[in-house]
Amino acid sequence: EVQLVESGGGLVQPGGALKLSCAASGITFSGYWMHWVRQAPGKGLVWVSRINSDGTSTGYADSVKGRFTISRDNAKNTLYLQMNSLRVDDTAVYYCSRGGKGGVYVDVWGQGTTVIVSS
Amino acid sequence: ETVMTQSPATLSVSPGDRPALSCRASQSVSSNLAWYQQKPGQAPRLLIYGASTRATGIPARFSGSGSGTEFTLTISSLQPEDFAVYYCQQYLTWPWTFGQGTNVEIK
Repeated sequence: EVQLVESGGGLVQPGGALKLSCAASGITFSGYWMHWVRQAPGKGLVWVSRINSDGTSTGYADSVKGRFTISRDNAKNTLYLQMNSLRVDDTAVYYCSRGGKGGVYVDVWGQGTTVIVSS
Repeated sequence: ETVMTQSPATLSVSPGDRPALSCRASQSVSSNLAWYQQKPGQAPRLLIYGASTRATGIPARFSGSGSGTEFTLTISSLQPEDFAVYYCQQYLTWPWTFGQGTNVEIK
């Protein structure tokens, strides 16, 4: 069974940093693009970042570019999201997700980890 | 950025109904469109990709159609477990973007 388990969320002050992790099991992790998608309370889904299967290509939403860094460790089957200079509007549930065919949509989602940015 | 607009925002339906959810793109996305279902407190679930291909394990009552800028998700006979929020998503151009969602609620 494919499982994506996020960790690392929590409460942080504006301007602070957090690093999210996502442990994958039941898949050949190195064969898939991976993504972070977030959802603010009561709001819709927003793509945050993507990374290709070997980690050589990444993409970011304009709202997080220069502040967030996506990375992966294929030996550890783990995806990361380093979040710096956090803002109140970064408050959301962050979903780790697996890219489907071609890597450009999501066919498997984690359960999400909550990030709250507040003073 | 390609803006995805879903309508209506809320759809009040009864079990057994045949709702059709609309999704419009601000520019052509060809058939690079996916649909997701999200229930309260849960992660989204992929229903459709390629505008019309059902994902693994998705019941045949879910069908997708359209190309270019106009897309539709149809549920042929709504079941109680289908009450949820539905999102469309384009993946032709980065950043990939979602619609704001259609809430299918019990009438």
